[in-house]
Amino acid sequence: AQSVTQLGSHVSVSEGALVLLRCNYSSSVPPYLFWYVQYPNQGLQLLLKYTTGATLVKGINGFEAEFKKSETSFHLTKPSAHMSDAAEYFCAVNLSQGAQKLVFGQGTRLTINP
Amino acid sequence: NAGVTQTPKFRILKIGQSMTLQCTQDMNHNYMYWYRQDPGMGLKLIYYSVGAGITDKGEVPNGYNVSRSTTEDFPLRLELAAPSQTSVYFCASSSLRGRGYTFGSGTRLTVV
Repeated sequence: AQSVTQLGSHVSVSEGALVLLRCNYSSSVPPYLFWYVQYPNQGLQLLLKYTTGATLVKGINGFEAEFKKSETSFHLTKPSAHMSDAAEYFCAVNLSQGAQKLVFGQGTRLTINP
Repeated sequence: NAGVTQTPKFRILKIGQSMTLQCTQDMNHNYMYWYRQDPGMGLKLIYYSVGAGITDKGEVPNGYNVSRSTTEDFPLRLELAAPSQTSVYFCASSSLRGRGYTFGSGTRLTVV
């Protein structure tokens, strides 16, 4: 069975500090991995994804994530936090090759302190 | 480009009432999904469809029904609403594996 675990339901950082949101997964097949962002009262937007190839992937708004197979991790980082980064972030893993069902982590709410 | 459109945005139902949440996409995506989002629980898959006429249950299908008569539309039906169905519902669509989902803006449903 596939599952996704996000460590920390709330993360708080200062403006300009490093953002690190943790995601670990379990999968019986080579995973496709995704990070989504949700701003208040909105739907989810794709930040970045890993399918195959380069393990360091870059996304929108300066975010990046590295796929580490040996650690079964796909942590999301950003070197310098902005106030506009305050949102909820979801890690997701592809469940199957057919219907492309995604399994989501429970989410991490990111707060940025001025 | 509208993407995925959900209606209504908000709804209050009384226990035992029924309603249909509408979802339409204009990207000609084969795959469509319904998720519910509850605080601290992430998103749970209710139903999904791999094409017109084909639907299947997800993780939490009880109390819901779907149909997919066209590629564009994937309505979610709630029969005999219960307080446990108070949630935010998201519809999403996708094309190929690895492309990720396009999400609608959600429907916030309260059952009282």
